[in-house]
Amino acid sequence: QSVLTQPPSVSAAPGQKVTISCSGSSSNIGNNYVSWYQQLPGTAPKLLIYDNNNRPSGIPDRFSGSKSGTSATLGITGLQTGDEADYYCGTWDSSLSAVVFGGGTKLTVL
Amino acid sequence: EVQLLESGGGLVQPGGSLRLSCAASGFTFSSYIMSWVRQAPGKGLEWVSAISGSGGSIYYADSGKVRFTISRDNSKNTLYLQMNSLRAEDTAVYYCAKVPSTLGGAAMDVWGQGTTVTVSS
Repeated sequence: QSVLTQPPSVSAAPGQKVTISCSGSSSNIGNNYVSWYQQLPGTAPKLLIYDNNNRPSGIPDRFSGSKSGTSATLGITGLQTGDEADYYCGTWDSSLSAVVFGGGTKLTVL
Repeated sequence: EVQLLESGGGLVQPGGSLRLSCAASGFTFSSYIMSWVRQAPGKGLEWVSAISGSGGSIYYADSGKVRFTISRDNSKNTLYLQMNSLRAEDTAVYYCAKVPSTLGGAAMDVWGQGTTVTVSS
């Protein structure tokens, strides 16, 4: 059971937009920054979003992040088949003194 | 090019030990927090441990707090994870990752390719 809660799967058609939610509590998301990762099949995770809504260089602006209270959201617009992957949210949990991740969301581009 | 290369994984019997290494290149290793993250087969990401640039601050997830020891040798640009009393549930791909700022946002901007640890008799 993950500390952060994500939907197991989401799907949308190519070209459409999808959002992935990440729910936590005041000890984690509520008082810390959130990061998002993309993991393509058989590869290492890749940082997509850091500090709630910042993109590392090289990450297209189709990917966006937001945070409100104890929840965070990853948005992906202009979906491409190459976006099919598992997506994870992560943050620091001040009560656990540990990094925590969501259980992951599998994105299918139909 | 910034790069992390893990090694040391393999098959080990329950109760055994293993030391993982992560060789870093392309950045000033001693300036950054480094972390270990694992992923069991078919499962999600699980943070294992982190260590500050100087090695003076160390953090562990509860799952490895007693059995695992993280360390680093800044003269060799290498991160280590000593794992003792291994259990079947420690079977996973172990990744090392660079933390660009603080652990506060769980941002890890560079990842290695991972090394596989299998605990089985």
